[in-house]
Amino acid sequence: DAGVIQSPRHEVTEMGQEVTLRCKPISGHNSLFWYRQTMMRGLELLIYFNNNVPIDDSGMPEDRFSAKMPNASFSTLKIQPSEPRDSAVYFCASSFRAGLKSPLHFGNGTRLTVT
Amino acid sequence: AQTVTQSQPEMSVQEAETVTLSCTYDTSENNYYLFWYKQPPSRQMILVIRQEAYKQQNATENRFSVNFQKAAKSFSLKISDSQLGDTAMYFCAFMRSNNNDMRFGAGTRLTVKP
Repeated sequence: DAGVIQSPRHEVTEMGQEVTLRCKPISGHNSLFWYRQTMMRGLELLIYFNNNVPIDDSGMPEDRFSAKMPNASFSTLKIQPSEPRDSAVYFCASSFRAGLKSPLHFGNGTRLTVT
Repeated sequence: AQTVTQSQPEMSVQEAETVTLSCTYDTSENNYYLFWYKQPPSRQMILVIRQEAYKQQNATENRFSVNFQKAAKSFSLKISDSQLGDTAMYFCAFMRSNNNDMRFGAGTRLTVKP
């Protein structure tokens, strides 16, 4: 099993540019989560999907952030336009919801730097 | 809303000694799950140990064990025989039984000294 795959591993962009982060969950997992990690706020849940349907997006900071999951094997988190305060590590995680005690399996994260 | 509190931003321990990391949480739920994750400098998030709230027995995984006090809403992690490779950020996490979104504490940075 390749685990949760995120790309890119690092992203450096200029303020105002569009940023797209990508995630491939573990095959067979039907829940997918996007987290943001910063020194100030720690790990924040941005949004999560069950069976490709967004369940809770209350953690999405602003309308500049959007997430999609067009199929069970792919999700994107988009920031448009990006701002320096969006700089953080963004994690994608997946789990198998039917086993509610199933822990989250994390990708290696994307470090985003907005200059 | 559930909150998870880790009151120790940083801790250190000598190699081979034992260290305990604290975690408290706030919930009105009776059934839930608790986890400890480790994040080494590589930033990978690694599951260390998990505990179901309905189980009274404390979970153990090799050198890692928890002290789960449900009434006190406390879930501490004990690392025995600390190794240099245990140096990492440790996050306590909470998950309700009917909803699988996971909420994390702020983390404790543990340094194991040779």
